[in-house]
Amino acid sequence: DSGVTQTPKHLITATGQRVTLRCSPRSGDLSVYWYQQSLDQGLQFLIQYYNGEERAKGNILERFSAQQFPDLHSELNLSSLELGDSALYFCASSESPGPGETQYFGPGTRLLVL
Amino acid sequence: GENVEQHPSTLSVQEGDSAVIKCTYSDSASNYFPWYKQELGKGPQLIIDIRSNVGEKKDQRIAVTLNKTAKHFSLHITETQPEDSAVYFCAATRNNNNDMRFGAGTRLTVKP
Repeated sequence: DSGVTQTPKHLITATGQRVTLRCSPRSGDLSVYWYQQSLDQGLQFLIQYYNGEERAKGNILERFSAQQFPDLHSELNLSSLELGDSALYFCASSESPGPGETQYFGPGTRLLVL
Repeated sequence: GENVEQHPSTLSVQEGDSAVIKCTYSDSASNYFPWYKQELGKGPQLIIDIRSNVGEKKDQRIAVTLNKTAKHFSLHITETQPEDSAVYFCAATRNNNNDMRFGAGTRLTVKP
């Protein structure tokens, strides 16, 4: 158990809909990262927050957004969902903003868009 | 940007044998190289990492080697056990960039 929690574990929704994924980092970690894992694209970095501020951006679509709240939990919002957004979404956390910081991954949220 | 290639995509070994997974990277400025193990239904778990100022690092049955000149790094697992069966990912990132790039993964199967 990494200490990172993610909810929900599974999510089934329809195209065009909007969903919110939630992540709580390990106790003491200030930085949160979001990743998407799909069969065709592999594991891809989406975005990073550190102490409430956006720190780095990867291959995140404009339809996706994220934020980190004062209690350090983070939410990833996915809107206008398409079939291709079906994937595993992982949150990871680290103590410092990095780079090169050890990242601890949560168990993931499996999103299925029908 | 950084491009990480990982080989082989699948690897099957007999229990007790060694397993080697290799990765190459394209960005010579990359300086942090972690390896993750992902079991079915779980998130990736860091098993070992290496920084560019070190050529080799060991942790019990696991070792990682880095060749900066050739821009490749490898994971070595000795005395493999069935519980080592999982998907292994290499990754690379550099000091001024949090965009960690992952290899495509290697599915390791250890047969008892």
